[in-house]
Amino acid sequence: QQQVKQSPQSLIVQKGGISIINCAYENTAFDYFPWYQQFPGKGPALLIAIRPDVSEKKEGRFTISFNKSAKQFSLHIMDSQPGDSATYFCAASGTGTASKLTFGTGTRLQVTL
Amino acid sequence: DAGVTQSPTHLIKTRGQQVTLRCSPKSGHDTVSWYQQALGQGPQFIFQYYEEEERQRGNFPDRFSGHQFPNYSSELNVNALLLGDSALYLCASSWGQTYGYTFGSGTRLTVV
Repeated sequence: QQQVKQSPQSLIVQKGGISIINCAYENTAFDYFPWYQQFPGKGPALLIAIRPDVSEKKEGRFTISFNKSAKQFSLHIMDSQPGDSATYFCAASGTGTASKLTFGTGTRLQVTL
Repeated sequence: DAGVTQSPTHLIKTRGQQVTLRCSPKSGHDTVSWYQQALGQGPQFIFQYYEEEERQRGNFPDRFSGHQFPNYSSELNVNALLLGDSALYLCASSWGQTYGYTFGSGTRLTVV
């Protein structure tokens, strides 16, 4: 059962543009929503994360927007750079014995010159 | 400060064989989780070890088992390997059963 749906599957953005990736979840017990960046041959690396008590979190060029009522959250990458080309995963988890991460299916981002 | 270390990096096994993968958590972390990532897919949770006990388990058969040692390192064992077990196996560590997971680079397992 897929509890976190991610779109689009792939994305091509020009250098300097804005990359937007969307995720939707079903389990209302989730209370932690991270985004991971993965390069080929590497493990996922935490980019930014949000808790449901805030609607937006910004760290540098990366922003998470969170809509609790719609059970949706998104990642915005401002001023996208070729070095941002990677696969991005959204994830969600609960706490304690429910702290396992449930991942989306991933978005392959390509930033062109 | 060393991050999460996994060994080996690559492994080729024959169908029906058994395999053991190893993980050393990041310094200061005491919880280890294992994930399976098939090609082109998101990681899928296998199980989590905390205080040397399996605390959470995903939807994986009993062929998948694990262990955590007193120094917090962990092993993932897979018996009776199937072709479908071919994947990248990721280890993630954290402090307590909390957020802030750090992932290793994974072990690429190929079953032939």
